[in-house]
Amino acid sequence: DIQMTQSPSSLSASIGDRVTITCQASQDILTSLNWHQHKPGKAPRLLIYGASNLESGVPSRFSGSGSGTDFTFTISSLQPEDVATYYCQQSDNLPPTFGGGTKVEIK
Amino acid sequence: QVQLQESGPGLVKPSETLSLTCTVSGDSIRSFYWSWIRQPPGKTLEWIGYGSFSGTSNYNPSLASRAVISLDTSKNQFTLRLTSLTSADTAVYYCARGKASPVSWGQGTLVTVSS
Repeated sequence: DIQMTQSPSSLSASIGDRVTITCQASQDILTSLNWHQHKPGKAPRLLIYGASNLESGVPSRFSGSGSGTDFTFTISSLQPEDVATYYCQQSDNLPPTFGGGTKVEIK
Repeated sequence: QVQLQESGPGLVKPSETLSLTCTVSGDSIRSFYWSWIRQPPGKTLEWIGYGSFSGTSNYNPSLASRAVISLDTSKNQFTLRLTSLTSADTAVYYCARGKASPVSWGQGTLVTVSS
């Protein structure tokens, strides 16, 4: 299985801050990388697919980049409603695998 | 917009079989692929497998001998059966639309395996 290493595991930032999360794959996955947002008690939500493509309806403050083994997820200006855990997930090889998650909180 | 809702027993005994149902609204399960994913307490998400109306399915090798996903087009539902349960199967179980990339998710249902 492809291992996905995500960091940091948690972060605390102020409203309006730029937030960056990284994800590293154990082998080349081209751009087969998704980012999901999970708020407690709610259904997880796909935000970005194919490493950098914004899912329909997702605010433009969210973005993703990278290819191969190294990927980055960015919130350009953190909002209160962005408090959640974020997961990277590779879809290049079966079984799909997820990173360990990053819990984002407001300072 | 598609919506998914999981249902099933919250508590199951060790060695028994778990049966979970996902009810889909806003989409026909004759289209697309449909998956199950779980998250044990304190751990990350684990993909269980997917199924489709055409009969195509694939399972995580770690669960392949115990998991079966089936579709009921008359009810627009799909089901996960997981046999020979142990405490390691305690988790929140999610259903989702998608094959290797979950596009829409259910809210999840907690399943506890305990005697």
